[in-house]
Amino acid sequence: RKEVEQDPGPFNVPEGATVAFNCTYSNSASQSFFWYRQDCRKEPKLLMSVYSSGNEDGRFTAQLNRASQYISLLIRDSKLSDSATYLCVVTYSGNTPLVFGKGTRLSVIA
Amino acid sequence: DVKVTQSSRYLVKRTGEKVFLECVQDMDHENMFWYRQDPGLGLRLIYFSYDVKMKEKGDIPEGYSVSREKKERFSLILESASTNQTSMYLCASSLYGGNSPLHFGNGTRLTVT
Repeated sequence: RKEVEQDPGPFNVPEGATVAFNCTYSNSASQSFFWYRQDCRKEPKLLMSVYSSGNEDGRFTAQLNRASQYISLLIRDSKLSDSATYLCVVTYSGNTPLVFGKGTRLSVIA
Repeated sequence: DVKVTQSSRYLVKRTGEKVFLECVQDMDHENMFWYRQDPGLGLRLIYFSYDVKMKEKGDIPEGYSVSREKKERFSLILESASTNQTSMYLCASSLYGGNSPLHFGNGTRLTVT
């Protein structure tokens, strides 16, 4: 079975803090990786793709470590509006559906 | 922007009723998916479809069926609703196969009494 594991949290951090989440995946055949964000009572929305070389989008940095089979998300200078659940997503080749982790809940506190 | 529209935001049905959840996407996406989301269990895939009239079982298909007669529309059917099907149901679509990100509808919160 293809598994994606995340620490459920919650991570409670003060505004301005840096916080990092890890996500491990069990199947080495994994091809593509994403981070989604889900606000309370809303649908998940794509936050960013994760590329082999790592990628950055403003305060957010995603990294992939294929050897250890994990991806990470780093959020710098946390804002109150970053409070959400962050879902790790792994895909495989062909028409195999994406596999979601159960999510990590982040609360940024004033 | 891709728009995935689910027909109802909230739905209350009685045990034993047949329930239809409709989903329409406007970006000519090949692939469509139905998930349910429950606290502590995350997103679980019910059914998916990679083409018109084609369907594949996901992780939890029991008690559900689907229909995809047109490319833009993917319907989830609860043949005989039960209380354990009370959940948030999320439809999603993607352009290609497994490597394309998903675009979600805003969900249908179904309560079965």
